[in-house]
Amino acid sequence: AQSVTQLGSHVSVSEGALVLLRCNYSSSVPPYLFWYVQYPNQGLQLLLKYTSAATLVKGINGFEAEFKKSETSFHLTKPSAHMSDAAEYFCAVSEGAGNKLTFGGGTRVLVKP
Amino acid sequence: GAVVSQHPSWVICKSGTSVKIECRSLDFQATTMFWYRQFPKQSLMLMATSNEGSKATYEQGVEKDKFLINHASLTLSTLTVTSAHPEDSSFYICSALTPGLAGDEQYFGPGTRLTVT
Repeated sequence: AQSVTQLGSHVSVSEGALVLLRCNYSSSVPPYLFWYVQYPNQGLQLLLKYTSAATLVKGINGFEAEFKKSETSFHLTKPSAHMSDAAEYFCAVSEGAGNKLTFGGGTRVLVKP
Repeated sequence: GAVVSQHPSWVICKSGTSVKIECRSLDFQATTMFWYRQFPKQSLMLMATSNEGSKATYEQGVEKDKFLINHASLTLSTLTVTSAHPEDSSFYICSALTPGLAGDEQYFGPGTRLTVT
């Protein structure tokens, strides 16, 4: 069984400030981990993914995440928030390539000018 | 590349009627498609996994006779909500993948918003 917990359903940051979104997972096998972004009334766009290679993963739009096995975490960061980063972010886990995804509850990011 | 479309993007239907939602992979062949449901301000919940040419696998608690899934070709899967009721109103999102393609990544459609009156 697999599960994902995202700490904080809402995060508010000032433009230019650090964005930190927390994700913890559980998985019975080495996990594949993903971060997705969703804008209102749209589907999901992949930001980045971890598939057992480098533990620090760089994605699109300046985001990166670090896989920490000892902490079962995959937190997402961006050094400097932009107004366009305001969206819903989902962390997800799968138990291998091509398998179904289990999503966390999501974190809504608000960027203040 | 790897574009997934859904049709319609939104639909309103009356209680008791059925509605069909299409999910298409436009530029690749998808051996597997997934259907998710997302209620307002909530996360995505997997409803079923659909493999081309075989019966869909439904998640626990999802009524297979109510949510009919057909994956008749490598580029098309359909979800039919039968005898829809207001509680079926939701945002339905599909995703598609082919093992070995682009790291086995799931590509998501833009979603279909269903409102049952």
